[in-house]
Amino acid sequence: EAQVTQNPRYLITVTGKKLTVTCSQNMNHEYMSWYRQDPGLGLRQIYYSMNVEVTDKGDVPEGYKVSRKEKRNFPLILESPSPNQTSLYFCASSFFQGPRNTEAFFGQGTRLTVV
Amino acid sequence: RKEVEQDPGPFNVPEGATVAFNCTYSNSASQSFFWYRQDCRKEPKLLMSVYSSGNEDGRFTAQLNRASQYISLLIRDSKLSDSATYLCVVYRPFGNQFYFGTGTSLTVIP
Repeated sequence: EAQVTQNPRYLITVTGKKLTVTCSQNMNHEYMSWYRQDPGLGLRQIYYSMNVEVTDKGDVPEGYKVSRKEKRNFPLILESPSPNQTSLYFCASSFFQGPRNTEAFFGQGTRLTVV
Repeated sequence: RKEVEQDPGPFNVPEGATVAFNCTYSNSASQSFFWYRQDCRKEPKLLMSVYSSGNEDGRFTAQLNRASQYISLLIRDSKLSDSATYLCVVYRPFGNQFYFGTGTSLTVIP
């Protein structure tokens, strides 16, 4: 089954304690992204990757790191989480084969609370 | 100015009603357009792509007006199962950027 898998689904942590949210896709997609979703602000892109070892900042990258050592995996790292990073996080992978053939597939989300 | 703007609603409609959602986008370089559906606390899923020629999928009709940078979604004969948040999405290939509206909330009432 084609899917994007995120772990963990729920996480409560304390300020300053490093954490990693994993993301894996089995569709051989080149493109992967991380988003955070907050009430009234919608989905905002944190980082994206166009291929292995190619990553770039999205709209809200501060406080986050990513890596893309393998095509299927794109972990999100919070080196020193703060309460303003409490949010719902989604990983997505996508392909582009022309304007009429592109789609983003999302993981099930990670609800992070930083206290 | 936001990349994509939508009326957040909420829209509360009775079963069987027709409801229309609209959104506008700011960057004329946007190349592809979509409506995604998001159920409460779940991941967004593609509902349908949007083309200038208009496209229809059962009870759902989507329309794009590039000149006005305007996208619409029409839902006919609303079902209880249509209750969700509908996200207007535009895409630009450079940077593989999907831009999401904040979503329009729909509740279909028995």
